[in-house]
Amino acid sequence: DTGVSQDPRHKITKRGQNVTFRCDPISEHNRLYWYRQTLGQGPEFLTYFQNEAQLEKSRLLSDRFSAERPKGSFSTLEIQRTEQGDSAMYLCASSLRSDRETQYFGPGTRLLVL
Amino acid sequence: LAKTTQPISMDSYEGQEVNITCSHNNIATNDYITWYQQFPSQGPRFIIQGYKTKVTNEVASLFIPADRKSSTLSLPRVSLSDTAVYYCLVGAHGQGGKLIFGQGTELSVKP
Repeated sequence: DTGVSQDPRHKITKRGQNVTFRCDPISEHNRLYWYRQTLGQGPEFLTYFQNEAQLEKSRLLSDRFSAERPKGSFSTLEIQRTEQGDSAMYLCASSLRSDRETQYFGPGTRLLVL
Repeated sequence: LAKTTQPISMDSYEGQEVNITCSHNNIATNDYITWYQQFPSQGPRFIIQGYKTKVTNEVASLFIPADRKSSTLSLPRVSLSDTAVYYCLVGAHGQGGKLIFGQGTELSVKP
């Protein structure tokens, strides 16, 4: 399977705990995006990388959130001191930089904070 | 990025053609129009993209009038498996490329 993969697919945690999600993009894609989606809403942009550089962060990405893409391949999204409002689906997407790029999404990680 | 407006939900029956219209009155000259499909518990999937007139692929057609202030996604002969949420997005790619999703249109196909 050469698509975008995410791990884990589901995560249940208690409020105040830290969680980390991983995204493996399509291998030749140099752009990687993180989105968050809550029930009944469309995905909301969080941040994106071009290779290993984090080029944009949404205001939604509070100080408790951090994302990395250390070698320009896989990426991690960490949430510290989780809150119940962090419960959502976290989606990763990758693309090739171009004028009409298509983003390919992974299956998402569903987070539930109790 | 241009704001889009589309119906919250639509119902259809198997075998019918479904047309979902999206309004984007403030579309800019260099904006493309893109549609994504999302099934429950999955990430969105690219369907089709266009700039003007008509674009067709193996999945759908996209009709864009001359003023580009709206667009219509056409799904021929839908089946139960086309039940999903369909998102219309407008933006200039190549400038960061982040996608701005609205609420989408929840299409329900009945037997």
